[in-house]
Amino acid sequence: AQSVTQLDSQVPVFEEAPVELRCNYSSSVSVYLFWYVQYPNQGLQLLLKYLSGSTLVKGINGFEAEFNKSQTSFHLRKPSVHISDTAEYFCAVSDTGGFKTIFGAGTRLFVKA
Amino acid sequence: GAVVSQHPSRVICKSGTSVKIECRSLDFQATTMFWYRQFPKQSLMLMATSNEGSKATYEQGVEKDKFLINHASLTLSTLTVTSAHPEDSSFYICSAQTGPGNTIYFGEGSWLTVV
Repeated sequence: AQSVTQLDSQVPVFEEAPVELRCNYSSSVSVYLFWYVQYPNQGLQLLLKYLSGSTLVKGINGFEAEFNKSQTSFHLRKPSVHISDTAEYFCAVSDTGGFKTIFGAGTRLFVKA
Repeated sequence: GAVVSQHPSRVICKSGTSVKIECRSLDFQATTMFWYRQFPKQSLMLMATSNEGSKATYEQGVEKDKFLINHASLTLSTLTVTSAHPEDSSFYICSAQTGPGNTIYFGEGSWLTVV
């Protein structure tokens, strides 16, 4: 079974500052890793995903994440955030053989002017 | 791109009645869909996996007789909350995926309020 831990429930940051949202996972098998964003009263939208290959993954809206197998982490980063990035961000993991995806508790990114 | 649509987006029902939420994949076939429940400021809790043409697989602690799932076609799954109570009030989200590791496409979500 897999599990996901998002270490920060809320991350306040000023506009144009860099941000890192942390995610650690545990699994006894190979996994796929995802980051999703949720805006208020909406479903989730994929930001990026790691399936295999390069450990640095680039996604939409200027986000990127790095898969670190030894530290079982998949932290999300953006070098300069905008007010519009204010949302809930979910890290997720699934095993490579199945569909079932487990979500972390979420991190609320709040960008201040 | 692929789109998953949920209907209704908001529904209010009286305690004791049943309410149905539909989840449709609009431009792709989804053999597997998922139903989640999300409480305010919390993560998504997987309720069940809906498989086309077969019974849904429920997560531990989810009452299958209360949350009826039907996946009658490759583009439609329905969640029926039976004998709804105020504690069933929540945000319900469906999703569909075309294969392991592929992007999960989420519906817009449905707010259920039981009064």
